[in-house]
Amino acid sequence: GAVVSQHPSWVICKSGTSVKIECRSLDFQATTMFWYRQFPKQSLMLMATSNEGSKATYEQGVEKDKFLINHASLTLSTLTVTSAHPEDSSFYICSARFGGPNTEAFFGQGTRLTVV
Amino acid sequence: RKEVEQDPGPFNVPEGATVAFNCTYSNSASQSFFWYRQDCRKEPKLLMSVYSSGNEDGRFTAQLNRASQYISLLIRDSKLSDSATYLCVVNGGGNKLVFGAGTILRVKS
Repeated sequence: GAVVSQHPSWVICKSGTSVKIECRSLDFQATTMFWYRQFPKQSLMLMATSNEGSKATYEQGVEKDKFLINHASLTLSTLTVTSAHPEDSSFYICSARFGGPNTEAFFGQGTRLTVV
Repeated sequence: RKEVEQDPGPFNVPEGATVAFNCTYSNSASQSFFWYRQDCRKEPKLLMSVYSSGNEDGRFTAQLNRASQYISLLIRDSKLSDSATYLCVVNGGGNKLVFGAGTILRVKS
């Protein structure tokens, strides 16, 4: 099946620094990718929809200046957590679909971010 | 009201048991439905899509009731390896997926 690769799988950073997370579709072109955040024992919450060649669409309550999304090519989307704070510590996961709404979503392995 | 609601569990069952999970969704315009499985500290993986006529895949049976906006997953002959969190997922329009909080299943020997 299709593969989505996410990097890094975990990162520890100091408060105030920025962290970039990469999401790549390895064997298909993804015009749309999705970024989720998951806190312990909670559901995946959609943060934003990343659109190739255009601005990302952010969900209500997600600060676009804090969570910068760039989808520069059909196989790569990046999420940058700017000026990270301890409350940003979470599990960040990207996903992409090979086809339309009825098709399977493939997920990256996730990035566990810890801000100290 | 949450868009997708699930009983969080945990469901603790012995090996070989049959267990059923339910899920309700609020958006009547939703067109596609899925069950995903998520192991601890891992990404979700598709277990099965849910079709209007109901569908079965080995020990797993999924049902959809559009009138009641209700989805179910039945697992027969539970295995230890079935222990995981089961996520009810609904297409929320615009190609976005909306996830339930998940139901924890623990199968014990």
